Amino acid sequence: GESVGLHLPTLSVQEGDNSIINCAYSNSASDYFIWYKQESGKGPQFIIDIRSNMDKRQGQRVTVLLNKTVKHLSLQIAATQPGDSAVYFCAGNMLTFGGGTRLMVKP
Amino acid sequence: SQTIHQWPATLVQPVGSPLSLECTVEGTSNPNLYWYRQAAGRGLQLLFYSVGIGQISSEVPQNLSASRPQDRQFILSSKKLLLSDSGFYLCAWRKRRQNYGYTFGSGTRLTVV
Repeated sequence: GESVGLHLPTLSVQEGDNSIINCAYSNSASDYFIWYKQESGKGPQFIIDIRSNMDKRQGQRVTVLLNKTVKHLSLQIAATQPGDSAVYFCAGNMLTFGGGTRLMVKP
Repeated sequence: SQTIHQWPATLVQPVGSPLSLECTVEGTSNPNLYWYRQAAGRGLQLLFYSVGIGQISSEVPQNLSASRPQDRQFILSSKKLLLSDSGFYLCAWRKRRQNYGYTFGSGTRLTVV
């Protein structure tokens, strides 16, 4: 948990726009990185993961980019929808979770 | 398929009262189990994890404790709750020797009054 416990930053986007959520990590030993989505009052749900030997991975409407040089991970959501409103967490191996970003989608 | 159950969903307890939250996993064996806490508007904080029956590792010193009496059962307890124990508690599991892919329970909202 490089930044577990910090107050969550908020990203506000217009419906239909693309969203980019960023995460910095410090544990270089992670073999995988994962993005989770957490809706209000619910547990986190897996969105997409990426191996540490990859730079990019695409899913449905989501793309994860990994820059190991600067220890940075990003989640791109295309054509953001109101249902995408949630808190998004990145996680490395084992037990580390980033602080999360709250995504708010304006209709 | 594997499922994880966590209960209760919500709990309001007075200061000084005991706590017991239970988490069970179905459809798998020898899972790694985790308890996280999430304060309002904040990220996930790992409290305890377990790699086997009776094996508990604590990440954060506090008045909470955890136990794993059975392979797929993980319990979070406290003898005397504090106001600061309020939060959203999440149980999670993942396959042993798999370094990713946590599956979370639905969480317990604990309010200590």
